[in-house]
Amino acid sequence: AQKVTQAQTEISVVEKEDVTLDCVYETRDTTYYLFWYKQPPSGELVFLIRRNSFDEQNEISGRYSWNFQKSTSSFNFTITASQVVDSAVYFCALSEAHGGATNKLIFGTGTLLAVQP
Amino acid sequence: NAGVTQTPKFRILKIGQSMTLQCTQDMNHNYMYWYRQDPGMGLKLIYYSVGAGITDKGEVPNGYNVSRSTTEDFPLRLELAAPSQTSVYFCASRPGQGFTEAFFGQGTRLTVV
Repeated sequence: AQKVTQAQTEISVVEKEDVTLDCVYETRDTTYYLFWYKQPPSGELVFLIRRNSFDEQNEISGRYSWNFQKSTSSFNFTITASQVVDSAVYFCALSEAHGGATNKLIFGTGTLLAVQP
Repeated sequence: NAGVTQTPKFRILKIGQSMTLQCTQDMNHNYMYWYRQDPGMGLKLIYYSVGAGITDKGEVPNGYNVSRSTTEDFPLRLELAAPSQTSVYFCASRPGQGFTEAFFGQGTRLTVV
């Protein structure tokens, strides 16, 4: 069965600290896709990144970086030098190419990140 | 560029009332989804559609119905509102399956009293 687990319910850091948000996924498919979304206090969902299962290269975008490790079924998200504007709920999501969730986009429960000034 | 538009943004329903949450997208996307987000919880898939005339149940379909008569529109129907349906509802669309991200509407905050 397909599943996304974000074990960290809430994380609180002080501005300028680095923080890593964990995402562990389960799938039987050999081809799958992973996503991260941000939900700021205003409530909208903002797409951050996608990764397919054949591309294990880490990605960096400014202060954001993503570490994809198939061996541990993890797709973790790190924010370097966090800022107050990073305060949001962050969701990890999974879509499969061939399995039961082929047409679906399954989300984890999210991690609430609070960055204190 | 409207993207995904949901109406209404807010609604208060009495127990037993019915309503339809509207969702329309102008990106010609085949795939559309309805999610609900309960306070402090993640997004749970209610129903989805892979094209006009084709719909399927997600994780929490009970108490809801959908239809997809056009590519653009994917309304969600609540027949007999219950307090357990108090939630924020998000509609989303994506071009196809797999390696395409979903675009979300702004959400509808529904309270059933």
